[in-house]
Amino acid sequence: AQKITQTQPGMFVQEKEAVTLDCTYDTSDPSYGLFWYKQPSSGEMIFLIYQGSYDQQNATEGRYSLNFQKARKSANLVISASQLGDSAMYFCAMREHLYTGANSKLTFGKGITLSVRP
Amino acid sequence: KAGVTQTPRYLIKTRGQQVTLSCSPISGHRSVSWYQQTPGQGLQFLFEYFSETQRNKGNFPGRFSGRQFSNSRSEMNVSTLELGDSALYLCASSKGGASTDTQYFGPGTRLTVL
Repeated sequence: AQKITQTQPGMFVQEKEAVTLDCTYDTSDPSYGLFWYKQPSSGEMIFLIYQGSYDQQNATEGRYSLNFQKARKSANLVISASQLGDSAMYFCAMREHLYTGANSKLTFGKGITLSVRP
Repeated sequence: KAGVTQTPRYLIKTRGQQVTLSCSPISGHRSVSWYQQTPGQGLQFLFEYFSETQRNKGNFPGRFSGRQFSNSRSEMNVSTLELGDSALYLCASSKGGASTDTQYFGPGTRLTVL
């Protein structure tokens, strides 16, 4: 079974509007972290936001916020006030076993392509 | 602070050859992880090095190997290249002390095997 599922086809959003990118995950580990990365056409993965499984509040970083619904195992990324430079591939990733030993392995979803229209 | 750097950025090799990719982490970061990205398989974890020791390993054949030096720089080697090894190879660094550390990625090395 896939651990990270990103099923949306290519997404389009009008400049200055908000957009939600979906991510569902599967784990039986109670301690995990969820990450979102952005990958422009240049290839570099850019870290956007992090949510720990024990965090009480949804994470926010500037225009990025994470809609974390633990019971539903979803961690959707919300981008507010979209900009043309937001056009890129977006990846949701998970790291398990956060507090049972050092583990750097990230498991990624397949990604979602976001295109921002002027 | 300088980001993660990877060299070379592009490589073209032929089947059967071997290749070495290099990654310099962010200053102060002791963990370096390697990922392979292909259109078919997506992003897959290769291995992680911390303090010159391999700490985690993904599900790749033994042709893929790596090492880390005392200055935390890491190299990845692929021997007996196959067409399917064509991919973007991404290196990521983190402080490495805790699993909650964020990984920061380099620009990648795009390997083409002919």
